[in-house]
Amino acid sequence: DVKVTQSSRYLVKRTGEKVFLECVQDMDHENMFWYRQDPGLGLRLIYFSYDVKMKEKGDIPEGYSVSREKKERFSLILESASTNQTSMYLCASSLTSARGNEQFFGPGTRLTVL
Amino acid sequence: AQSVTQLDSQVPVFEEAPVELRCNYSSSVSVYLFWYVQYPNQGLQLLLKYLSGSTLVKGINGFEAEFNKSQTSFHLRKPSVHISDTAEYFCAVRMEYGNKLVFGAGTILRVKS
Repeated sequence: DVKVTQSSRYLVKRTGEKVFLECVQDMDHENMFWYRQDPGLGLRLIYFSYDVKMKEKGDIPEGYSVSREKKERFSLILESASTNQTSMYLCASSLTSARGNEQFFGPGTRLTVL
Repeated sequence: AQSVTQLDSQVPVFEEAPVELRCNYSSSVSVYLFWYVQYPNQGLQLLLKYLSGSTLVKGINGFEAEFNKSQTSFHLRKPSVHISDTAEYFCAVRMEYGNKLVFGAGTILRVKS
């Protein structure tokens, strides 16, 4: 079974801090994704990566950056955390961009910015 | 741009009753359609997907969905729900040429005894 793990389930940070959220997948998937989930808004794509060192902006990239130095690891970085970035963050991966390939999700990191 | 509308934010239903969770999408090109389920404090898990072929798709846990191209809908159904089906359900769409999923806002299914 595919396993997607996220470094923390819960995280509390202060405004202005630099925050790193880590995601690791163990099935050699090409694509990796970061979403944020907010009540009533569903999941919104922040960034995705289709290969090592490659990234593309999603729908809401402002205030975030990403890093993919190794195929299995995809990091989301909040350069200067703000209270409006309090949210649930979900990482996902998929094998390729071929049709119908499902995305596999990690358990999520609930981030609170005070 | 694609969009996905889940028409109900919450659906309360009694155990063993049937349920339908509605999903409509907007796209002028061919799409692939997915339903995911999120149990409390967990990530999302795929329930079923429509790629092509038969418009009735069967998934895990007794769920099924029907693709209706003319109505651009992909409603999820289960003939008899259990307490354990209490969760949030997300409909998602992906364009034929692309690797991004667009999600609906989610529907919380509450099964009552």
